[in-house]
Amino acid sequence: SQQGEEDPQALSIQEGENATMNCSYKTSINNLQWYRQNSGRGLVHLILIRSNEREKHSGRLRVTLDTSKKSSSLLITASRAADTASYFCATDGSYNFNKFYFGSGTKLNVKP
Amino acid sequence: DSGVTQTPKHLITATGQRVTLRCSPRSGDLSVYWYQQSLDQGLQFLIQYYNGEERAKGNILERFSAQQFPDLHSELNLSSLELGDSALYFCASSVDPLENNEQFFGPGTRLTVL
Repeated sequence: SQQGEEDPQALSIQEGENATMNCSYKTSINNLQWYRQNSGRGLVHLILIRSNEREKHSGRLRVTLDTSKKSSSLLITASRAADTASYFCATDGSYNFNKFYFGSGTKLNVKP
Repeated sequence: DSGVTQTPKHLITATGQRVTLRCSPRSGDLSVYWYQQSLDQGLQFLIQYYNGEERAKGNILERFSAQQFPDLHSELNLSSLELGDSALYFCASSVDPLENNEQFFGPGTRLTVL
């Protein structure tokens, strides 16, 4: 299966600390995306990184992509209680970019 | 607010029944995706439509079907419902997967099968 897997499954930190989540996938991709989901609600797109990019920044978010290791990481700096949510990576398939595969997610809890 | 709407928000029904979930994509988006999210399976891609045509199929059961209409709204039909079909069903839309398949998700429909 193409499905990405996030690591760790759960992460609990104090406000102000950095949070790092990792994602691994199995086959070639065109791009990888990170999404956030607050409990029971729809997913919100955070950032997209293309297969020819190695790093991307958006505000307090930093995403890296290592296609040789088939892995990506999401770093949230100076975390806030409002960052508490589940974070998912999603990959398409390089042979069928219309198919989308989500990982099982990392549950982040930021304690005030 | 993503601009994607889904109705109904909640649906409670019995095993063996059939239901229809509806999705309206963001204005200008041609592509619609359907996902199922259950506790033990995570977020599963079901099917994708682009401008009325089916583009990709994921783990969609034969009891499930979908279509996208000329006005670009989409419906997901679930029939012969089983207890295991209880889940959150999300619809997402994007402009054009070729250019940028960033997806915008609706709030979801929570289906409970009793």
